[in-house]
Amino acid sequence: AQSVTQLDSQVPVFEEAPVELRCNYSSSVSVYLFWYVQYPNQGLQLLLKYLSGSTLVKGINGFEAEFNKSQTSFHLRKPSVHISDTAEYFCAVSEGNFNKFYFGSGTKLNVKP
Amino acid sequence: DVKVTQSSRYLVKRTGEKVFLECVQDMDHENMFWYRQDPGLGLRLIYFSYDVKMKEKGDIPEGYSVSREKKERFSLILESASTNQTSMYLCASVRKNTGELFFGEGSRLTVL
Repeated sequence: AQSVTQLDSQVPVFEEAPVELRCNYSSSVSVYLFWYVQYPNQGLQLLLKYLSGSTLVKGINGFEAEFNKSQTSFHLRKPSVHISDTAEYFCAVSEGNFNKFYFGSGTKLNVKP
Repeated sequence: DVKVTQSSRYLVKRTGEKVFLECVQDMDHENMFWYRQDPGLGLRLIYFSYDVKMKEKGDIPEGYSVSREKKERFSLILESASTNQTSMYLCASVRKNTGELFFGEGSRLTVL
C-alpha cells in the first residue's frame, strides 16, 4: 500500500508571501496525484491533479504543483497567498483504477495579515 | 451542480446506540467511499463500494458496516457506537475518467 507524507502539519505565512506545501509518496509505480483543500466546516474540494503529461500542473486559485518522479514528490506552491487561502490542504495518491486513494495527514496553512 | 449530500451534519449519540450515516450522490458514479477524518491522521478509508450491493473493506473497517442498495446511496452503520468512534465522517464518490473525488460536507459524530 502507498503511504503519503506531509511533513509540515502547520505552515504560518504572511499575506502576499510565497508558500510551498510538501508531499512525498512511497511507491515508484505509476500513480495519480491530487491536492485537495478543506475550508473550515466543509468537505474537501479538488485543487489540482496530475494524471499524465506535463509535470507542472496548474490548479484553481493560483496554485500549482510539480510532479517529481525520481524524488516521489508532488509539492504544492503558490507565489503569493491571500487570507482566503487559510485552510487545510491534503495530498492524495491513487493507483490504477481509482478504487483506492491514500491521503496524507494534512497541512494547515495559516495566512496572517 | 454536482453534489454529494450527507444527511446529518452533527449527531450526538450514546455508547451502544446504533448509528446510520447516509450519503447520496447525483452524478451516477459507480465508486463511493466512507472516510473517517481525525486531527493529525488525515483521511482513513473505512469502506468503499464499486457497485450496488458490492463493498470492500478499507483500512479501518472494525466497528463499521455499510449498505449500498441503490447506486446513488451509500450508508455507513455503526452497530454499537463507542466513544472512540467520535470523529468526522466524510462520504465521497469518484468520477472515474478523471479520478476526481467529490466530497460531502461531513457528518460530525460525538459518542458520549
